[in-house]
Amino acid sequence: AQSVTQLGSHVSVSEGALVLLRCNYSSSVPPYLFWYVQYPNQGLQLLLKYTSAATLVKGINGFEAEFKKSETSFHLTKPSAHMSDAAEYFCAVHGSSNTGKLIFGQGTTLQVKP
Amino acid sequence: ETGVTQSPTHLIKTRGQQVTLRCSSQSGHNTVSWYQQALGQGPQFIFQYYREEENGRGNFPPRFSGLQFPNYSSELNVNALELDDSALYLCASSWQAGRYNEQFFGPGTRLTVL
Repeated sequence: AQSVTQLGSHVSVSEGALVLLRCNYSSSVPPYLFWYVQYPNQGLQLLLKYTSAATLVKGINGFEAEFKKSETSFHLTKPSAHMSDAAEYFCAVHGSSNTGKLIFGQGTTLQVKP
Repeated sequence: ETGVTQSPTHLIKTRGQQVTLRCSSQSGHNTVSWYQQALGQGPQFIFQYYREEENGRGNFPPRFSGLQFPNYSSELNVNALELDDSALYLCASSWQAGRYNEQFFGPGTRLTVL
């Protein structure tokens, strides 16, 4: 069965600092992994996805993530945080069923301080 | 191209009542998935409809039911509402079912059960 664990429910950084949001996964099949962002009172927006091509994946808004099979990790990074990055971030893995259902982590709230 | 839309935006019901939530899929998409996101949690898969048939279900009781119409729009029905049903309900559409297809999310319907 597939599962995702996000380490740290809240992360606080200063504007301009490195953003690092941690995600570890468990999967019985080669995983498809995703990072989504959710702004207050909105739905989910896809930041980036890993689908077994390049292990370093670049997404929107300057975010990127590296797939590390040996560590079963897919951490999200951004070199320099902006105030507009403050939001909830979810890591997700595709379930192995024919539905392609997404299995989400609990989420990490990113706070950006001026 | 119109994205995924959901209605209503907000809804307040009392315990024991029934509710219907609606979702219009993105143009060209034949698959709709529904997720429940409780406050402070990641979304959880409820079920998926593919070409008007249920194509997989998460760990939700039978009082959660759905429909998909010939135009691929979808409804989520919840009977005998309970307080714990209070959540943001997200709809996502994709080109096809299965793990190789990206899901595009709507803004959600926030349901409050009193």
